[in-house]
Amino acid sequence: ETGVTQTPRHLVMGMTNKKSLKCEQHLGHNAMYWYKQSAKKPLELMFVYSLEERVENNSVPSRFSPECPNSSHLFLHLHTLQPEDSALYLCASSRDRRSSYEQYFGPGTRLTVT
Amino acid sequence: AQTVTQSQPEMSVQEAETVTLSCTYDTSESDYYLFWYKQPPSRQMILVIRQEAYKQQNATENRFSVNFQKAAKSFSLKISDSQLGDAAMYFCAYRSALDTDKLIFGTGTRLQVFP
Repeated sequence: ETGVTQTPRHLVMGMTNKKSLKCEQHLGHNAMYWYKQSAKKPLELMFVYSLEERVENNSVPSRFSPECPNSSHLFLHLHTLQPEDSALYLCASSRDRRSSYEQYFGPGTRLTVT
Repeated sequence: AQTVTQSQPEMSVQEAETVTLSCTYDTSESDYYLFWYKQPPSRQMILVIRQEAYKQQNATENRFSVNFQKAAKSFSLKISDSQLGDAAMYFCAYRSALDTDKLIFGTGTRLQVFP
């Protein structure tokens, strides 16, 4: 379970705050992903990075801003969020983007926007 | 667009018994991958089992096996000899061989295991 780590595990923020979520993978993978998991809804893919380049931006509002400084780290910068953005944010990594490779998930950050 | 449907929001099983979780999907593609992921309470999502669409043989991993019916677009998970540690949310997921970035998930089935 330590292959993909996420910090913080819990975050409460006001709508005017700026915060960042961090993901780190220790698996030597080349692809990293951000997902949003809301209650009673399927996981939603937000962003995909491959070799530190963003290759997918799944119509995510600009108040979410990803950053991938190197292949081991992925950030999600948050600003002026809305209460409906409260959810579990999951990071995942895979060896590369090919579909045969499984994705390894982190434990998630539980975000509450007040 | 592909979709994944899990019609059972909750299931329960007695310890040592067998339970089957259902999953159906919709796609026009012939080459894809199907997955079952397990998410225990407050713990990380982990892969349980994977099936390649081009393989006719059903995948098995110890007590976990699938019934893959490609024509019916059905991909059920059977858990044999259920254990208390099997209690979790189970997600069925689809991944196209062409659009490799999108792992499309169902809404999940919460499995309770009773002693």
